[in-house]
Amino acid sequence: NAGVTQTPKFRILKIGQSMTLQCAQDMNHNYMYWYRQDPGMGLKLIYYSVGAGITDKGEVPNGYNVSRSTTEDFPLRLELAAPSQTSVYFCASSQGQIRRNEQFFGPGTRLTVL
Amino acid sequence: AQSVTQLGSHVSVSEGALVLLRCNYSSSVPPYLFWYVQYPNQGLQLLLKYTTGATLVKGINGFEAEFKKSETSFHLTKPSAHMSDAAEYFCAVSEEKSSGDKLTFGTGTRLAVRP
Repeated sequence: NAGVTQTPKFRILKIGQSMTLQCAQDMNHNYMYWYRQDPGMGLKLIYYSVGAGITDKGEVPNGYNVSRSTTEDFPLRLELAAPSQTSVYFCASSQGQIRRNEQFFGPGTRLTVL
Repeated sequence: AQSVTQLGSHVSVSEGALVLLRCNYSSSVPPYLFWYVQYPNQGLQLLLKYTTGATLVKGINGFEAEFKKSETSFHLTKPSAHMSDAAEYFCAVSEEKSSGDKLTFGTGTRLAVRP
């Protein structure tokens, strides 16, 4: 199993550009999550999904959109990039709720908006 | 609302010394508590978690943590540090919700191990 994979690893965007961060998992997990990690801070939840076709906002959803058309994929869309979105983005997945199931993380995407 | 405080953003120990990383939480209901480790340029990996039952929880790589409700703490310890333990450690708390568990992370503690 590849686990949780993320592409790209690095990206530099100009203000106002858009892009999609890709996330895929091959563990047949129902739950998937997007987090951002700013320097010196813990991870903050952007969006999450409990199954295909179901998504919900986390703590910091503004400026982002997600979709979950398949169990395997959970892309994160930035429509109008802003410098405040410079961060490291982590995708994660779990079979079920976190208290009973381990959450597996991808290696991250480092995004810089200039 | 739940929250996590990690005291000390940087901790340095000698190889073979005790590792103690502090975590205090705030939660209005019985919490679920987690410790994650992040090695450079990698995602987070679960070290251990407390849900219910025994308050002393053992995890991977020789780490353990004790849930102390009276002190609202969940400190992480390891009797003898190894060079490979150098990493960033995050404490997290989750509350049971019908919409699904959500983790709230602390700001992290970077552990350095001196030879």
